[in-house]
Amino acid sequence: SQQGEEDPQALSIQEGENATMNCSYKTSINNLQWYRQNSGRGLVHLILIRSNEREKHSGRLRVTLDTSKKSSSLLITASRAADTASYFCATDYDYKLSFGAGTTVTVRA
Amino acid sequence: GAGVSQSPRYKVAKRGQDVALRCDPISGHVSLFWYQQALGQGPEFLTYFQNEAQLDKSGLPSDRFFAERPEGSVSTLKIQRTQQEDSAVYLCASSLESGIDSGYTFGSGTRLTVV
Repeated sequence: SQQGEEDPQALSIQEGENATMNCSYKTSINNLQWYRQNSGRGLVHLILIRSNEREKHSGRLRVTLDTSKKSSSLLITASRAADTASYFCATDYDYKLSFGAGTTVTVRA
Repeated sequence: GAGVSQSPRYKVAKRGQDVALRCDPISGHVSLFWYQQALGQGPEFLTYFQNEAQLDKSGLPSDRFFAERPEGSVSTLKIQRTQQEDSAVYLCASSLESGIDSGYTFGSGTRLTVV
């Protein structure tokens, strides 16, 4: 069963705009991770935020984590056409990753 | 190798046929995982190995699914008497070790279609 839920399910933005997606989960976590999946390809690890962290940055990515609300957000700034992909949050507890159904992001040129 | 390698990339099986999917993890990675991803969904956990020991197989959908990693490196996921509901992408992931805060490296997956 899927632990996380991403919102929105789909997002279409213009190149250069920011993209924000949210993830909610149900149980305790050690950390929360975000992955990107291009059509027909495997998952690429983007960023990990530990349960005792509130915000983390990596390049154009910004992740927040609110453990009291059991939610996380991923912000991609200054989006590019190459950012078109599906994005998944995954909660990590006791070595298992539990994924949501993903947010499909389309960046229009 | 530089990444996690899975083969074949695509597999079409007739219903009732047995299939074997191979995963070559990153050299030295202790932990290996198999996930199943149905169309339009996120990956679902199948099984976990630490070296050659299968520590968790709670996600395997039925006793038709069997995984092994006999020498602690290459792993094979076998599905016997395939059914249409087995159609999915099967993803393999590895990590240096589990229980630490690090991401996992996934292979490109094997897309299994049962006809």
